[in-house]
Amino acid sequence: GDSVTQMEGPVTLSEEAFLTINCTYTATGYPSLFWYVQYPGEGLQLLLKATKADDKGSNKGFEATYRKETTSFHLEKGSVQVSDSAVYFCALSDQAGTALIFGKGTTLSVSS
Amino acid sequence: DTGVSQDPRHKITKRGQNVTFRCDPISEHNRLYWYRQTLGQGPEFLTYFQNEAQLEKSRLLSDRFSAERPKGSFSTLEIQRTEQGDSAMYLCASSFDSFNEQFFGPGTRLTVL
Repeated sequence: GDSVTQMEGPVTLSEEAFLTINCTYTATGYPSLFWYVQYPGEGLQLLLKATKADDKGSNKGFEATYRKETTSFHLEKGSVQVSDSAVYFCALSDQAGTALIFGKGTTLSVSS
Repeated sequence: DTGVSQDPRHKITKRGQNVTFRCDPISEHNRLYWYRQTLGQGPEFLTYFQNEAQLEKSRLLSDRFSAERPKGSFSTLEIQRTEQGDSAMYLCASSFDSFNEQFFGPGTRLTVL
C-alpha cells in the first residue's frame, strides 16, 4: 500500500543554518504531497503542498519540490529560526483524495 | 469561526470503560476525518464522513471503535471496552470536499490505565 518515509530526528540546528528533511513515498498513481507542521502544544497545520510532478510548494521560507522520478518531496529552508522548532510530517493523499498517509515525523530543534 | 475543536482535550479512563470524544468541524466543511496518533508515529487514518454519511470505516481499528455524525455537523468517536493499547492522541480534521486541505483540531489525548 501507499506509504511515506521521512528521515528520523531529532534534527538539531543553530539559527540561520540550512535545513533539509528528506521524504520519499510509495504510491500508486499520482498523489498530492504535503508537509504538515506541529508546533509545541498546537494542532497539525498545513505548511505546504504540491499536487503534481515538478510542482514546488512554498510557505514561510520553506519549500519542497514534487519529484516523481525519485518519488521524493524533501523539505528545505535556507535559514532556520528558533521559532521553526516543531515536528514536521510529510504526507500524501490517497487516490480518492480522502485519507492522508503520514510519515513518522521529524523533530526539529533550533537554538540561538 | 476558530477552527476545528475537540472535547475533551484529555481523558483518563480505566481499562474496560467506554469513552466518547466529540469533534466540531469548521462550519462550512462537509467532510470530517478521524485519525489516531501514537507516540513517535504520524497520524493514522481511521474513518471519514461526507456530511452525515460515513463513507469509509474499514480502517477503524476494531469493532470496539465506532463513529457518528448524525446531522452532518459535529461527530463523535466512541471506543468501547477500552484497552491499554488504545492510549493515543485522537485527531479530528475537516475539509471542504476531497483533495482540499484538511484542517486539524488539537486532539484528544486518551490514557487507559
